[in-house]
Amino acid sequence: AQTVTQSQPEMSVQEAETVTLSCTYDTSESDYYLFWYKQPPSRQMILVIRQEAYKQQNATENRFSVNFQKAAKSFSLKISDSQLGDAAMYFCAYRSLNNNDMRFGAGTRLTVKP
Amino acid sequence: DGGITQSPKYLFRKEGQNVTLSCEQNLNHDAMYWYRQDPGQGLRLIYYSQIVNDFQKGDIAEGYSVSREKKESFPLTVTSAQKNPTAFYLCASSILGAGAPGEQYFGPGTRLTVT
Repeated sequence: AQTVTQSQPEMSVQEAETVTLSCTYDTSESDYYLFWYKQPPSRQMILVIRQEAYKQQNATENRFSVNFQKAAKSFSLKISDSQLGDAAMYFCAYRSLNNNDMRFGAGTRLTVKP
Repeated sequence: DGGITQSPKYLFRKEGQNVTLSCEQNLNHDAMYWYRQDPGQGLRLIYYSQIVNDFQKGDIAEGYSVSREKKESFPLTVTSAQKNPTAFYLCASSILGAGAPGEQYFGPGTRLTVT
């Protein structure tokens, strides 16, 4: 079974600065999808960004971008120009194309300092 | 407005009682999922359903049951057999199909406390 590891339980960043959250995963598959979800204090899970494994180009969504290293099985999230509203738990997730199973990491709690 | 609703937001029960958590979606999604979230842990899959009247166990299905009588609805029953039912429960749905990325859309969650 695929596993997703987020090695940073907590991270902090100064407002307007850039922060990178790490995620690694273990799989023997060649095609899959990777996601980053944000869970603010309201606990509503919000999709931040998606990456298809067959695409070499890293996905970007406004201030959010990923560094997808397929060979290294690494999928980090970069948040630029951090805002107070970015403070949340961030979960990395892996979805196999063979089934609809989605595997989540344990999460990274991001604090944004004013 | 399309989305997923879960009710209630907070639920309190006495030990030994079964309790049913509601999940409804109007996104016309095929698949629906139930997750449990505990402090310091990610989401763990309880059950999922890809089609009406069919569902599969996830990693932690023991002590839980589900039904999928309608495409829009996927209620979760936490039975008295669940040893540690106090947790935050999230429902999600997704589109299925070849080429679909399958990102899941989540409801607001239900916090269940059993004493």
